[in-house]
Amino acid sequence: DTGVSQDPRHKITKRGQNVTFRCDPISEHNRLYWYRQTLGQGPEFLTYFQNEAQLEKSRLLSDRFSAERPKGSFSTLEIQRTEQGDSAMYLCASSLTDWEPQYFGPGTRLLVL
Amino acid sequence: DQQVKQNSPSLSVQEGRISILNCDYTNSMFDYFLWYKKYPAEGPTFLISISSIKDKNEDGRFTVFLNKSAKHLSLHIVPSQPGDSAVYFCAASANLDDKIIFGKGTRLHILP
Repeated sequence: DTGVSQDPRHKITKRGQNVTFRCDPISEHNRLYWYRQTLGQGPEFLTYFQNEAQLEKSRLLSDRFSAERPKGSFSTLEIQRTEQGDSAMYLCASSLTDWEPQYFGPGTRLLVL
Repeated sequence: DQQVKQNSPSLSVQEGRISILNCDYTNSMFDYFLWYKKYPAEGPTFLISISSIKDKNEDGRFTVFLNKSAKHLSLHIVPSQPGDSAVYFCAASANLDDKIIFGKGTRLHILP
């Protein structure tokens, strides 16, 4: 399977706990994006990387959120001190260039109790 | 402030007929437009895109039309098939800005 993969697919956690999600992009795609989708909404941009450099962060990405892409391949998104409002689907996408479509992974559904 | 608007939350179409999904945008800097399809519990799947230098792009049963003066695009699916039942997202991006802005989606039901 050469598509974007995400792990885990589902995560249930208690408020205040830290969680970390992983994304493996399509190989050779140097751009990697994180989005968040809540019920009834389209995906909302969080941040993106070109290779290992994080080039843009949304205002949605509070200080509790951090993303890394240390070797320009896979990426991790960590949420510290989770809140109930963090419950959402977290989507990862990758693309080859800015004029190519972004291809999405299956997402990680987070539920904060 | 929603920059990409899909004003129809849902649409029902008879199998074999044409499905037309509409999308409006407000940001005149948008120059690349995409349509994604999403099944429950899956990530969005890329369908078709169009750049602002074109007014039509076709791929099999899917055609996207862009009317820049009206800031409007539409996706036509002909003929509609049962497997087309899904949520369709319209999305746009601006030159030199890599993030995609999505609409809220339109749920398409293909009726037998």
